Amino acid sequence: QLLESGGGLVQPGGSLRLSCAASGFTFSSYAMNWVRQAPGKGLEWVSTISRSGATTYYADSVKGRFTISRDNSKNTLYLQMNSLRADDTAVYYCANDAEYRGSYGTFDYWGQGTLVTVSS
Amino acid sequence: EIVLTQSPATLSLSPGERATLSCRASQSFSSYLAWYQQRPGQAPRLLIYDASNRATGIPARFSGSGSGADYTLTISSLEPEDSAVYYCQQRSSWPFTFGQGTRLEIK
Repeated sequence: QLLESGGGLVQPGGSLRLSCAASGFTFSSYAMNWVRQAPGKGLEWVSTISRSGATTYYADSVKGRFTISRDNSKNTLYLQMNSLRADDTAVYYCANDAEYRGSYGTFDYWGQGTLVTVSS
Repeated sequence: EIVLTQSPATLSLSPGERATLSCRASQSFSSYLAWYQQRPGQAPRLLIYDASNRATGIPARFSGSGSGADYTLTISSLEPEDSAVYYCQQRSSWPFTFGQGTRLEIK
C-alpha cells in the first residue's frame, strides 16, 4: 500500500513537502516515482529515485525546483516542492517501479494521490 | 522527447463488444510501452507492460500488441466496469511520457 500526504493550498512561490508511506512490501527493493495529474487532464511523470536514493531523475518542468528523496528506514518517499507555480496544481501520485528488464519506468502500484493547489 | 498520440479520443461501445485503442509514437522505440486504466475518482492501474505482458491480476480479455511506433490495447469482450480512461506510456527514453488518453464509455 502507498499512502500520500502533505498536499494542500499554497501560494505561488511557496513550498510544500509531500510524503508517501509504503507498507506491505520491501520498500528498499523498489525504485519509486512521482506522477501528477492536473485537474481534468492527463498524466505527467515528475520524478524517479533509485532503490538506494543515490540516483534521481526529473522532468524538465520541475528540474531545479523539486527534489525527490527517500528514507528506507522509514519506508517513506518524499517530494520537496519549491518555487511552486499555478501550473504545478495537480494530484500527485507516488508509484513503485517494477523495473522490468532492469529499466525504470513501469509504474506498478499507485497510491490514491494528494492534491496540491497553487493559488493566491 | 517521445510524443504519444492516442486514438480515438472517445470510444462508446456496448457490453460484449471488442474495443481497440491505438497509441502512436513520434519515433520508433523498443516496445517499452505500458497501458494504464483510470476509472473515475481512482488512481491509475497498470494493465499491460512492455507492449504485450499483462500485469498481475489483469483479466485475459485485456491484451496488448505492437512494436516500433504503433501499439494497440484490445479489450476482447467489454464489461461495464471497463468504463475508464486508458493511457499509454513509454519508458524507452527520458522523460517518460504518456499519451493524452482514450475515454471508453460502455453504453
